[in-house]
Amino acid sequence: GDSVTQMEGPVTLSEEAFLTINCTYTATGYPSLFWYVQYPGEGLQLLLKATKADDKGSNKGFEATYRKETTSFHLEKGSVQVSDSAVYFCALSPSGGNNRLAFGKGNQVVVIP
Amino acid sequence: KAGVTQTPRYLIKTRGQQVTLSCSPISGHRSVSWYQQTPGQGLQFLFEYFSETQRNKGNFPGRFSGRQFSNSRSEMNVSTLELGDSALYLCASSSQGAANTEAFFGQGTRLTVV
Repeated sequence: GDSVTQMEGPVTLSEEAFLTINCTYTATGYPSLFWYVQYPGEGLQLLLKATKADDKGSNKGFEATYRKETTSFHLEKGSVQVSDSAVYFCALSPSGGNNRLAFGKGNQVVVIP
Repeated sequence: KAGVTQTPRYLIKTRGQQVTLSCSPISGHRSVSWYQQTPGQGLQFLFEYFSETQRNKGNFPGRFSGRQFSNSRSEMNVSTLELGDSALYLCASSSQGAANTEAFFGQGTRLTVV
């Protein structure tokens, strides 16, 4: 079935450092890809999305490019802030018009001042 | 406009009891999905309702059920609660339920089974 794999473990980095979180997926057809962010005690917020190959999603300085050849959707930000500390989830929605999201395990990001 | 509202925010139940959680989607949204979030299994899809019909179902036992009303509000029910049902239950709504339509999440209901 459809699945999403995120790199293992939390990510700790200093303010203004470069952030990369790896995400790969397995799916049939042409899924849509998403990054969601979850702050403590909150639900999930959509950070960015891409709906077809080579699309680049971007928001709040974060970017991710839909790479069909490598089945990847890595999240990047050039200069993180303390306020970016949160859990980040990669997700896919299968092609075919339904709302069944498959999520990766998530990565805790801690930005140290 | 108001976001997705889930009630209650916190709930403590005893093993063997049943529980009903409620979700009010964003006004005009017809699709409501439910997810279970646990530290061990992460986020897992429970089911999706669209215009009062269950359109998709995840791999959960029959103790987990749901329904959607004509005003798009949704409820999920868990019967014969087990300790392992302790989790954050998240509801998401979207306008059309299409694959590239943004899903808006509520803050969740934290269920603790003792």
